[in-house]
This record gives sequence, C-alpha cells and structure tokens, in this order.
Amino acid sequence: GEDVEQSLFLSVREGDSSVINCTYTDSSSTYLYWYKQEPGAGLQLLTYIFSNMDMKQDQRLTVLLNKKDKHLSLRIADTQTGDSAIYFCAERTAGAGSYQLTFGKGTKLSVIP
Amino acid sequence: DGGITQSPKYLFRKEGQNVTLSCEQNLNHDAMYWYRQDPGQGLRLIYYSQIVNDFQKGDIAEGYSVSREKKESFPLTVTSAQKNPTAFYLCASSRSRDRVKRTEAFFGQGTRLTVV
Repeated sequence: GEDVEQSLFLSVREGDSSVINCTYTDSSSTYLYWYKQEPGAGLQLLTYIFSNMDMKQDQRLTVLLNKKDKHLSLRIADTQTGDSAIYFCAERTAGAGSYQLTFGKGTKLSVIP
Repeated sequence: DGGITQSPKYLFRKEGQNVTLSCEQNLNHDAMYWYRQDPGQGLRLIYYSQIVNDFQKGDIAEGYSVSREKKESFPLTVTSAQKNPTAFYLCASSRSRDRVKRTEAFFGQGTRLTVV
C-alpha cells in the first residue's frame, strides 16, 4: 500500500472551512509537512508539525496530528478562491543513512465562488 | 534572493534523444532531489544526492541519470531508455540530513517535458 494516503479531490464553497486529511505509516516520522502546488508551479511549503505536537495554528491554517492513528489534517478557515490548488501531505522518513520526504498523491481543492 | 531555479520551464524532445534538465540552488543546501509528477500520481522520487559527488537512486531511476559535481547543481538527464518521459519534473533541495533539524524541502518551479 501507499506510505502516505490522501483523498484526491475536495470541493468547498468560498468562506467555508476546508479540511484535508492524510494518513501515514511510518511511526518514526519526526516531521510532517503540508505543501501547496498551484497550477504549473512547484511546491510551496505551507506548514509543518513536529511529531510531539497535537496541533499547530498559523493564521487561517490549523494542523492536527493524531499520532496514535497516524492521521494528519489541514484545516483552512474562510477558504478563498486563491486557496484552489493541490495540497500534498509529506512525512520525513529514514532511508539508508539519510532522510527523505515521502509525499501523498495530493488533494485537489476546488473553491466554488 | 536565495532560491532554487529550474530551466527550462518547457522542453520538447524527439523520441530517441537524450535531454538534460537543469537545477541550481544558492541556498547552500547539502541535499538535492529530483521528482517526477504525473496526473493523479503525486510525486515520485527519481534520484537524490546528500553530498557532492554522491547520489542514490530513488523509486523510479530507470532511464534517468544525474551528476553532482558541485553543491549548487544537480542536473537530470532523461535518456532514450526512459519509455514514457512526458511529465512534469520537480527539483528540490534541503538543508541537512541531521535528525534534529526540520529538513523541509524547497522546490523549483518545475520543467514540463514533452516528447514529440
């Protein structure tokens, strides 16, 4: 199975909250990340959370981490049309003497005006 | 301005030709990565390098080659052996492999390669 799983699509109305969910498998992950990708562009780091935290808030963004269930979520409050993008969840995993990022397939968020 | 630069933004290749994608960073990062992105597939790791003159295969290295002669540069060659090269290619870099550091990756703007 996939190491990091996300649903592929989410559609919300402008002004509502969006919640994007992610599950991961590596219980030794120390950092988990959310990246945003706008059409035709690279990935932009939105926020991250350290594994000993349950929640992190940064303006309209709230990250919740349930380490027991290996579940990560990103909540965007007051969603705007500019938030339309693909959102990737990523975990930092250990390889052979190094660390890598393992990404989910991305959730495409569509904001309806 | 510190950042990571990929060039060109769009690239067309005839079947059977090799082509090289450029990636340069001035962030003084040790680690650099190449990912391939296909619709609905997310990001798949092609190659990564943790230090100059050393690199490792990722999950889909067949048909690709890389070099890391300088810390700032990590070019990717798509060879004729890659059967389905049309994709969006993303280069990334990160600061360190130190366990206590965040090691978040910074991404370039991508190169869209099309085989014609």
